[in-house]
Amino acid sequence: GQSLEQPSEVTAVEGAIVQINCTYQTSGFYGLSWYQQHDGGAPTFLSYNALDGLEETGRFSSFLSRSDSYGYLLLQELQMKDSASYFCAVRNTGFQKLVFGTGTRLLVSP
Amino acid sequence: NAGVTQTPKFRVLKTGQSMTLLCAQDMNHEYMYWYRQDPGMGLRLIHYSVGEGTTAKGEVPDGYNVSRLKKQNFLLGLESAAPSQTSVYFCASSYGTAQETQYFGPGTRLLVL
Repeated sequence: GQSLEQPSEVTAVEGAIVQINCTYQTSGFYGLSWYQQHDGGAPTFLSYNALDGLEETGRFSSFLSRSDSYGYLLLQELQMKDSASYFCAVRNTGFQKLVFGTGTRLLVSP
Repeated sequence: NAGVTQTPKFRVLKTGQSMTLLCAQDMNHEYMYWYRQDPGMGLRLIHYSVGEGTTAKGEVPDGYNVSRLKKQNFLLGLESAAPSQTSVYFCASSYGTAQETQYFGPGTRLLVL
């Protein structure tokens, strides 16, 4: 089986930098994905790390450390529109399908 | 391209009633998925399909059935709805070799009384 842990809520102000952590326990592992979901909306794909290290896409970056079973999503230059829930997800070699964490709600204030 | 669409957007059922949720995608994706999302919880996989005519169970399949008669459509059925099935249901699709990148529909909000 697998389990993922994320903080339930994170708050920050506009223009700041915030890091959302995700720790996972799984046997056999392809990589770590991140999804964003605004209230009432559908999840949308943000990033995928198959290898250790940092992947950067604009204001968002994602990091993976396989040896530590740990990853994070880094959001820079926060904007109000970044207020949303963020989910990490893993796919392991056993179940073969994505398993999502319970999500981190990010609140960005002016 | 419409991407992934779901019908209906919202539905109220009485306990014991049946219904079918329809998902359609126009991206020619091989894989399709049905998830449910409950407050404070992530997305949980109900059933999935790796191609036309095939279906498989996910994490929480009990009380649901699915069919994939055409590549672009994936149907989720509730034969006898229960209050525990009150949830938001999301359909998603992906290329078979890129399951980490899934495209989600807008969701169906189901209330079972």
